Amino acid sequence: DAGVIQSPRHEVTEMGQEVTLRCKPISGHDYLFWYRQTMMRGLELLIYFNNNVPIDDSGMPEDRFSAKMPNASFSTLKIQPSEPRDSAVYFCASGGGDEQFFGPGTRLTVL
Amino acid sequence: SQQGEEDPQALSIQEGENATMNCSYKTSINNLQWYRQNSGRGLVHLILIRSNEREKHSGRLRVTLDTSKKSSSLLITASRAADTASYFCAGGSNYKLTFGKGTLLTVNP
Repeated sequence: DAGVIQSPRHEVTEMGQEVTLRCKPISGHDYLFWYRQTMMRGLELLIYFNNNVPIDDSGMPEDRFSAKMPNASFSTLKIQPSEPRDSAVYFCASGGGDEQFFGPGTRLTVL
Repeated sequence: SQQGEEDPQALSIQEGENATMNCSYKTSINNLQWYRQNSGRGLVHLILIRSNEREKHSGRLRVTLDTSKKSSSLLITASRAADTASYFCAGGSNYKLTFGKGTLLTVNP
């Protein structure tokens, strides 16, 4: 298995632009998680899905952030409009039990 | 909010020495997990200990859990330069993990 796949690996955009991050979980995993990592706040859970249904989105910072999981093999995290404070590394993880498997992350820089 | 708080924030040791990292958590958990992150990479699961367990071993790793003190420790024995990474504890409840800010371990050759 290729593991969790994220794209793009790096994204540089200007303030106000829409950003879409993509994730392909490991086949057979029914949980998918989106995290954000910064030096100041560490690793924060934004939202997670079970069988494609959002279960807990209490970590989503504000309405500018949205996440979807249209099928078991694909999820997106969208930021619209983006702001400089959104600059971070965004990780997707999937799991079928207690252990989570992380993707390589997307490093987002908003200028 | 942070569930786990690791101590120390940074640790530097010589190859061959043992490394001990501690973690405290705030709320009730089903399990406590430890992950490793190499610079610029995603996190990798190392070991999981359930709330009804007190100690667990996996290779050179030893984890303890004290639910009365809401604390855990990770011991890496006979460290290697390749163990250099950040180590995170995470409290698990209902498949959701809450991570601490991590301990940066540097193993000098």
